[in-house]
Amino acid sequence: DGGITQSPKYLFRKEGQNVTLSCEQNLNHDAMYWYRQDPGQGLRLIYYSQIVNDFQKGDIAEGYSVSREKKESFPLTVTSAQKNPTAFYLCASSASGRYNEQFFGPGTRLTVL
Amino acid sequence: AQKVTQAQTEISVVEKEDVTLDCVYETRDTTYYLFWYKQPPSGELVFLIRRNSFDEQNEISGRYSWNFQKSTSSFNFTITASQVVDSAVYFCALPYSGAGSYQLTFGKGTKLSVIP
Repeated sequence: DGGITQSPKYLFRKEGQNVTLSCEQNLNHDAMYWYRQDPGQGLRLIYYSQIVNDFQKGDIAEGYSVSREKKESFPLTVTSAQKNPTAFYLCASSASGRYNEQFFGPGTRLTVL
Repeated sequence: AQKVTQAQTEISVVEKEDVTLDCVYETRDTTYYLFWYKQPPSGELVFLIRRNSFDEQNEISGRYSWNFQKSTSSFNFTITASQVVDSAVYFCALPYSGAGSYQLTFGKGTKLSVIP
């Protein structure tokens, strides 16, 4: 079954700790994305990658970091510099090209205690 | 600048009623696509439709239909004979401007509640 997996589904973190969210896809897509969703805010782009070993900041990249060492994987690290990290995080992927639909994973809900 | 406006924050309808979700967009591109996604309570966004700006014909898929009007920059989504399973948040989206851009601008979403 092709798709996107994100783990864990729920994550709790103490203030001051870094945490890494996993995103894996087996759709053979070149492009991958991370979004943050807050109540009433819609989806906001954190980072995206159009090809392995390359990634770009989105609208709200401060306090986050990513890597893209493999085509299938695009992990997101939420650092202690992120002031308000409690949110729902969604990973997506798409084929190359501007107008291809993005496919989404099930999301990770991060709560900072 | 790209902008997507979904003015309806929340809508409640009784099962079997028809409902229309509005989407108004702004873009400086002459050629573009528009998307609709559904987010059920489980959280995962599900792709519903992609529409080319050249094609203004209405699209129908079962109980779902989409009305694209370039003159008013709107891409509205209608659910006919709504069902409880249609309860979700629905997002309209538009690609960023620029040939190399893959990102999408999302509206803030419309939460639809279908009451049995």
